[in-house]
Amino acid sequence: EAQVTQNPRYLITVTGKKLTVTCSQNMNHEYMSWYRQDPGLGLRQIYYSMNVEVTDKGDVPEGYKVSRKEKRNFPLILESPSPNQTSLYFCASSKLAGGPISNYEQYFGPGTRLTVT
Amino acid sequence: SQQGEEDPQALSIQEGENATMNCSYKTSINNLQWYRQNSGRGLVHLILIRSNEREKHSGRLRVTLDTSKKSSSLLITASRAADTASYFCATDAWEGAQKLVFGQGTRLTINP
Repeated sequence: EAQVTQNPRYLITVTGKKLTVTCSQNMNHEYMSWYRQDPGLGLRQIYYSMNVEVTDKGDVPEGYKVSRKEKRNFPLILESPSPNQTSLYFCASSKLAGGPISNYEQYFGPGTRLTVT
Repeated sequence: SQQGEEDPQALSIQEGENATMNCSYKTSINNLQWYRQNSGRGLVHLILIRSNEREKHSGRLRVTLDTSKKSSSLLITASRAADTASYFCATDAWEGAQKLVFGQGTRLTINP
């Protein structure tokens, strides 16, 4: 089954304790991205990657890191989480085979609900 | 950057009625997409309309695009309780960008 998986689905942690949220897709997609969703603010892109070893900042990258060492995986790293990073996080992937990204349907993971106390 | 803006923010209708939600954007786009999100879950792609298209249909969904007004609308006909969800439009962040920007969404409630 074609899917995007995220782990963990729920996480409660404390300020400053490094954490990683994993994202994996089995569709051989070139493009992967991370979003956070907050009430009243909609979905905001954190980072995106157009292929292996190619990453770029989205609209709200501060406090986050990513890497794309393999095509299927795109982990999101919070080196020193703070309470303002409490949010619902989504990973998404799509093909990117020429033309703009808006040509392609995004496939979303189920979300990771993160609480930082 | 906030490219797509949905209107209204919330909409509540009776089952069987039609639901219309709108999306406005600021810059030139290549395509516009609509997504649905059931409460707390991942977004699901509904339909894509290209900048040279004016209208597109998919089942009970009808999407229109007016590039002169930089706006799109999503019409759901004969609504069902299962259509209760939030709906988002997504567009190119700007011409040439490999980024999608999502609006804040319209929360649709279908009352039985």
